[in-house]
Amino acid sequence: EAQVTQNPRYLITVTGKKLTVTCSQNMNHEYMSWYRQDPGLGLRQIYYSMNVEVTDKGDVPEGYKVSRKEKRNFPLILESPSPNQTSLYFCASSLKPGTDTQYFGPGTRLTVL
Amino acid sequence: GNSVTQMEGPVTLSEEAFLTINCTYTATGYPSLFWYVQYPGEGLQLLLKATKADDKGSNKGFEATYRKETTSFHLEKGSVQVSDSAVYFCALRKGQGTDKLIFGTGTRLQVFP
Repeated sequence: EAQVTQNPRYLITVTGKKLTVTCSQNMNHEYMSWYRQDPGLGLRQIYYSMNVEVTDKGDVPEGYKVSRKEKRNFPLILESPSPNQTSLYFCASSLKPGTDTQYFGPGTRLTVL
Repeated sequence: GNSVTQMEGPVTLSEEAFLTINCTYTATGYPSLFWYVQYPGEGLQLLLKATKADDKGSNKGFEATYRKETTSFHLEKGSVQVSDSAVYFCALRKGQGTDKLIFGTGTRLQVFP
C-alpha cells in the first residue's frame, strides 16, 4: 500500500531534550516536506527536500533540522525543543516538484513541557 | 505575497443540507488550487483540485470552480452527510519547483443527523 508513515504518532517531552520524528514513504517520491499545524494558522511549511541530499528552508524553519540521506526517509530533528514547538506535525511527499498531488502522513502530535 | 483566506468555522449543518465553504486567494501568476480534507485523527487527503481559470474540480459530490475574476475557489456540496464531518483546508501551490502548498486556516464542518 502506498503511504507516508510517521513515528511516533504522539510524543510528550521536556524542554531541551533532543528528539527525532521519522518520516518514510514507499512511493519513490522525490519531493518531501514537513509542515506544522497550529490552531488558527493552518499548516505552515518547515523544511522541504527536492531529492536526496537537497534540502531547504520553508516558512518556519527556526529550531528544526532535517536530513535526506535516502530517498524514502526525511526525519525532522528538534535539537533543543521548546514549548512553542508544541504542535501537530505532518510529513508530505510527491512524485516530483510541481506535480499536483501531495500525500500526507497521519501526523505526529508533539507536546513540549 | 501569496495567501489563502477561508471562512472560519465551525460550520454546523443538518444532514442533506447544502454546503458552501468560502475560499479566496491572493497570488501572483496562475497558481493551482486545492481542497484538502482532514478526518478526525488522520492526515490530510486531497479532495479536489483545479489548475487553471474556470476549471471545476469535483470528487465525492464536492465541487469547486477556479474563479480568477473573483480570486475564489469556494467548496460546495448539494447534500452533506454525517460522514462529511471533518476539517477542510483550501490551499494553493506556489509556482513551479518547490511544490510548496500555502494553506488557509481550515474550516471545521459538523453534520448532525
